[in-house]
Amino acid sequence: ETGVTQTPRHLVMGMTNKKSLKCEQHLGHNAMYWYKQSAKKPLELMFVYSLEERVENNSVPSRFSPECPNSSHLFLHLHTLQPEDSALYLCASSQGGGTGELFFGEGSRLTVL
Amino acid sequence: QKEVEQDPGPLSVPEGAIVSLNCTYSNSAFQYFMWYRQYSRKGPELLMYTYSSGNKEDGRFTAQVDKSSKYISLFIRDSQPSDSATYLCAMSALNAGNNRKLIWGLGTSLAVNP
Repeated sequence: ETGVTQTPRHLVMGMTNKKSLKCEQHLGHNAMYWYKQSAKKPLELMFVYSLEERVENNSVPSRFSPECPNSSHLFLHLHTLQPEDSALYLCASSQGGGTGELFFGEGSRLTVL
Repeated sequence: QKEVEQDPGPLSVPEGAIVSLNCTYSNSAFQYFMWYRQYSRKGPELLMYTYSSGNKEDGRFTAQVDKSSKYISLFIRDSQPSDSATYLCAMSALNAGNNRKLIWGLGTSLAVNP
C-alpha cells in the first residue's frame, strides 16, 4: 500500500446510525487532516492532527469526532448525522514544517438519509 | 468578500488550446500559493507550488503569482483530454506551529475536448 488510503469509499447511513471513516497514510508524515468537500463550496478543514495532537476547527459539530491513535492512522467517528452532512470526506497528510503540500486520499462519499 | 475567489466554470476548450485558470485573493499576508488538480472520484493532488511572487514552470504548466494585484494564474499549454479535471487554487500565510491552514478556491472545472 502506498500513499493515503481511505475506507470505506462509499457509505450510506441513517440519521440514527453510528459509523466510522478510516484513513491510513504510508508516507511517514507527521500531520493528518480531515476535510469536507461539498458541491459549490470550497474545501472545509475539519480537523488537524500534528504529532498526534489535535488542532480542531471550532465550527465542526460534535456529531463528528476524530481519533488519531498514531501518526499513520486517523478516524472520523460519525453519529446522529444530518442530511446536510452528506459530502465527500477527504483525508490528507503532510510532513511537518508547514509547506502546505498535502497528500490526499480518494475520499469517502457519505450519504445521510 | 471571500478570501479567495475562483470562477467554478465549467470551462470547455479544444485539444491543443492554451488554458488560463485564475484566482484572486484579498489577504496580503498570503505568501504560499498552490494549484491542486482533482480528477473525478479522486482526491486532489498537488500540481504546482509557488512561494511569494514570480513564475514557475513545469512542463506544460506555468504558475504565476502577482502579489501586487493579489492574482494568481495557472497556464496549461497544448492542453490534452487528460487535463480534464477540476483545478483548485489554495494559499496560506504562515501559522504558528507546524501546520499551515490553507484557504481554498471553489475549483474550476475544465474539459478538454478531442
